[in-house]
Amino acid sequence: EVQLVQSGVEVKKPGESLKISCEGSGYSFPNFWIAWVRQMPGKGLEWMGIIYPGNSDTRYSPSFQGQVTISVDKSIRTAYLQWSSLKVSDTAMYYCARGYGGLDFWGQGTQVTVSS
Amino acid sequence: DVVLTQSPLSLPVTLGQSASISCRSSQSLVHSDGNTYLHWFQQRPGQSPRRLIYKVSNGDSGVPDRFSGSGSGTDFTLKISRVEAEDVGVYYCMQGTHWPRTFGQGTKVEIK
Repeated sequence: EVQLVQSGVEVKKPGESLKISCEGSGYSFPNFWIAWVRQMPGKGLEWMGIIYPGNSDTRYSPSFQGQVTISVDKSIRTAYLQWSSLKVSDTAMYYCARGYGGLDFWGQGTQVTVSS
Repeated sequence: DVVLTQSPLSLPVTLGQSASISCRSSQSLVHSDGNTYLHWFQQRPGQSPRRLIYKVSNGDSGVPDRFSGSGSGTDFTLKISRVEAEDVGVYYCMQGTHWPRTFGQGTKVEIK
């Protein structure tokens, strides 16, 4: 069974750093792209970027380029999304999902709240 | 970026009736490989999104055949036949042809 399991709820202050994770199981992790999707409170889905675990090839939406970093450790089947300095406007649910042109399996989401 | 425009944004439906959601793209979604990477997702309240339809008209495993997709080029439609209470949620189209990938703004389906 394909599963993507994300790390838990995060509550942070503006300016802090953060790294959230997404662990894949039940399939050949190196061979499938992992995407990150943002959903701000009460809003729609926004595609942030994507990484190929096999060679760490990474692509970002221009809206998120320079704002976040996507990385992967294929030895532990885990993809990451990180911020070096969080803003209040980063408050959102973040999903990882498997796929390149389409997203067939999704994680349960990680809620990130940034508040002073 | 490719803009996907969904309509309507809110769709009240009667149980047992059918519902249709339109997704129009600002550019053709036909890829150079000949495929059209237009997909549909359902997000029930409090849940992660779930893919229903991939590449315009292919149903994902476990998806009821009440859900169907059609269209080509820049115009696409998701149809729900015989709406059930479990179909309440927000539906999104997404294109995987151009970079960056983009989603429609979502259509909220509710029961009248």
